[in-house]
Amino acid sequence: SQKIEQNSEALNIQEGKTATLTCNYTNYSPAYLQWYRQDPGRGPVFLLLIRENEKEKRKERLKVTFDTTLKQSLFHITASQPADSATYLCALDKRDTGRRALTFGSGTRLQVQP
Amino acid sequence: EPEVTQTPSHQVTQMGQEVILRCVPISNHLYFYWYRQILGQKVEFLVSFYNNEISEKSEIFDDQFSVERPDGSNFTLKIRSTKLEDSAMYFCASSGSTDTQYFGPGTRLTVL
Repeated sequence: SQKIEQNSEALNIQEGKTATLTCNYTNYSPAYLQWYRQDPGRGPVFLLLIRENEKEKRKERLKVTFDTTLKQSLFHITASQPADSATYLCALDKRDTGRRALTFGSGTRLQVQP
Repeated sequence: EPEVTQTPSHQVTQMGQEVILRCVPISNHLYFYWYRQILGQKVEFLVSFYNNEISEKSEIFDDQFSVERPDGSNFTLKIRSTKLEDSAMYFCASSGSTDTQYFGPGTRLTVL
């Protein structure tokens, strides 16, 4: 069956460092992997999308990579700030088959210490 | 910037009662979705809606649930007879030509 796993429940880093979050998946091919940010009691906010045939995407301080051999995506926040503290969710869909339903991972809670 | 809105922000109901959760998607979007998130758990897909009909639904979306687009702007989720386990945050989302799904702030449903 299809599975998405985000490796760590929580990640604590110092301000200014790079945060790296991991998302692994099985039995999704091809895949469109998305990263969302969720603050407590709020809805997910879209950040970046990467396709299985893309290696890397960037947006400001955010970078996403995709390793199709490992079926893994890494999400990086460079020069992290306390305002980046939130839960980060990865999600997959199979829009090429017309299936737009997103399947979410359980999330990684990032805490950036000043 | 256009955004998805949801009302109410918090709904408290008695077990067995019907509830209707309301959403106003982004105005030029064509696809609409409902997701739910039980406290401390993953966001889970319930249903997607396109061209006035359900295009996909999950096994959670049983006969107790229904969706409707009663006019050109609202999108509703009805739960006919609520159970304790329906307590969750319910998120509406919409997407347009880019397929990116934009989520609303959610309705917290508490079933007593």
